[in-house]
Amino acid sequence: GQNIDQPTEMTATEGAIVQINCTYQTSGFNGLFWYQQHAGEAPTFLSYNVLDGLEEKGRFSSFLSRSKGYSYLLLKELQMKDSASYLCAVKDSNYQLIWGAGTKLIIKP
Amino acid sequence: IAGITQAPTSQILAAGRRMTLRCTQDMRHNAMYWYRQDLGLGLRLIHYSNTAGTTGKGEVPDGYSVSRANTDDFPLTLASAVPSQTSVYFCASSDETGKGADTQYFGPGTRLTVL
Repeated sequence: GQNIDQPTEMTATEGAIVQINCTYQTSGFNGLFWYQQHAGEAPTFLSYNVLDGLEEKGRFSSFLSRSKGYSYLLLKELQMKDSASYLCAVKDSNYQLIWGAGTKLIIKP
Repeated sequence: IAGITQAPTSQILAAGRRMTLRCTQDMRHNAMYWYRQDLGLGLRLIHYSNTAGTTGKGEVPDGYSVSRANTDDFPLTLASAVPSQTSVYFCASSDETGKGADTQYFGPGTRLTVL
């Protein structure tokens, strides 16, 4: 079966750095996405990785290792507005997105 | 409008009733999707459409039907609602399937409660 695993919840302090991990087992791989979802709102696109390595976009970076079936999202200089759920999703061999359950990130002052 | 709109925002429905959730996008995207999101579970694909006039079944299609008469609209119908269909429903669209980098954009969601 296909499976995406992420921690259910994480807590971090304002101004700090947090790393959210995602491991996957899918039938085929055509890229990995990270989305942000604030409570009661729609998911919004953060990043896309298809090759191994780190993609940096401002305070957010995303890393991929295809051989390990592993990715992480790194958030730097945390702000209160970063409190949200972070969804990891993998595009499988049929180009369908398989979604993890999401990681709820709580930021404390 | 810009992006994707969904209607209604929320709905309480009696079991056995028929309900259509509406979704409209103005980005001229070819592909559209319906997902449901339940607590503790990832987004699950109900139905999708790669282009106007075609539809396909996702992971959890039973009890739902869709149509894609034109590029912009992709309604989701529950023929006879059951309490297990209580969920938040998201419509999404993307420019082109069959490409890894194809990004999906989401509507604001419909919160449906079936009693």
